[in-house]
Formats: sequence, structure tokens, C-alpha cells
Amino acid sequence: SAVISQKPSRDICQRGTSLTIQCQVDSQVTMMFWYRQQPGQSLTLIATANQGSEATYESGFVIDKFPISRPNLTFSTLTVSNMSPEDSSIYLCSVGYKNTEAFFGQGTRLTVV
Amino acid sequence: AQSVTQLGSHVSVSEGALVLLRCNYSSSVPPYLFWYVQYPNQGLQLLLKYTTGATLVKGINGFEAEFKKSETSFHLTKPSAHMSDAAEYFCAVSDRYFGNEKLTFGTGTRLTIIP
Repeated sequence: SAVISQKPSRDICQRGTSLTIQCQVDSQVTMMFWYRQQPGQSLTLIATANQGSEATYESGFVIDKFPISRPNLTFSTLTVSNMSPEDSSIYLCSVGYKNTEAFFGQGTRLTVV
Repeated sequence: AQSVTQLGSHVSVSEGALVLLRCNYSSSVPPYLFWYVQYPNQGLQLLLKYTTGATLVKGINGFEAEFKKSETSFHLTKPSAHMSDAAEYFCAVSDRYFGNEKLTFGTGTRLTIIP
């Protein structure tokens, strides 16, 4: 199993500002993912965080809005840039192994006012 | 591309009654299928998964699901509901390249248990 620590757990931010969310895993993992869960909705994959190269973004998500870093095999950050109220969501970090389950962090609950 | 459809955004059952949460998927390749549960203000926890082999899979907390390829379904059941089962349930699909990692989720079903 993997233990994932996400920080912060929640935040209230002013529109136009940026927030960086950290994801720390207690073991080395090949693949890390960032998901968004908008209020009352399901999880949507934002991007795959690749170690040593640029993140791979899903349709509808761009690097300028959601820059991602992956400096090593246990750590990643997601930044939500130039925030608007529409960015209010829960952001979740996920790690996985092909032959075992995917693990999720507790999430970061973001409110933009 | 893969997709998941969960019928019923809200399901209510009486305590002790059968729980049935429906999930249909679309995938151009043999799928990996998952059910996750999310309790209020918590992350996601894996209930069960189907990868290969036996099509009836058993998970935690008395839940089970059956993979039916002909019906492209992976419905979740529990014979007797407990108050602690009240939560949000998500069905998800992946493919054999990403395995257990990159998931496409359904819109979720909120399960309410009536005392």
C-alpha cells in the first residue's frame, strides 16, 4: 500500500491568486495523477505527473492554468493559477501500480471567493 | 475512449435490504473495472476490482460485483444494507496498459440508508 499526504487539506483563496498543492508519497512510485472533483460531481483526471519530463494533460486542461512539477519519484505539486470561483473543487493526488490498486490522498478542498 | 455510466445519482434503501448500484461501461479494449467508496470529507477507498479471471468479485464490507461482458455491466451489490454503508460510490474503468492507475470515473451514486 501507499500512504499519501496532501497539503493543504483545505484553503480559501481570493480570485486571481494561485495555490500550490503538495503530494508526498511514502514510497517511490512510477506514476502520479491529479484529479479534480467539482461540487456534486465525479472525479476528472487533470494530468499525469511524469518524473523528469513535462506533465501529460487531459483534454480541457492546460499547463498555464494547472502547472505540475514532479521533481522525484515521491513528490509532486499541482498549482491552480489565476483562480476563479469556478476552480472551487476538491483536488486529489493519486498514485498507482499496474498490479495493485490506485491510492488516493485525502484531497485538498479549495474555495475561491 | 472509455466511459462509465452510473444509473441513479441517489439511491435509498432500508437497513437490512439489498443494495444494488448500477454501472455500465464502454471500452474498446478489455477493461479493468473498479468500485470506490467515498465517505464524507474523506478520500477514496477501493471496494473491489475486476481485472481478469473470475467474473464475480468480492470486496470489503460485504460488497460484491459481477462483470458481465455481454451487458457491459459491473453492478455492485450487498445483500443486507448497514447504516455505515451510507456514502458516495464511484464506478471506474481503466485499460490494461494503465492497469490500476489512470481511471475514468462515473458520476457517482449517493447511497442513503433508511433506519
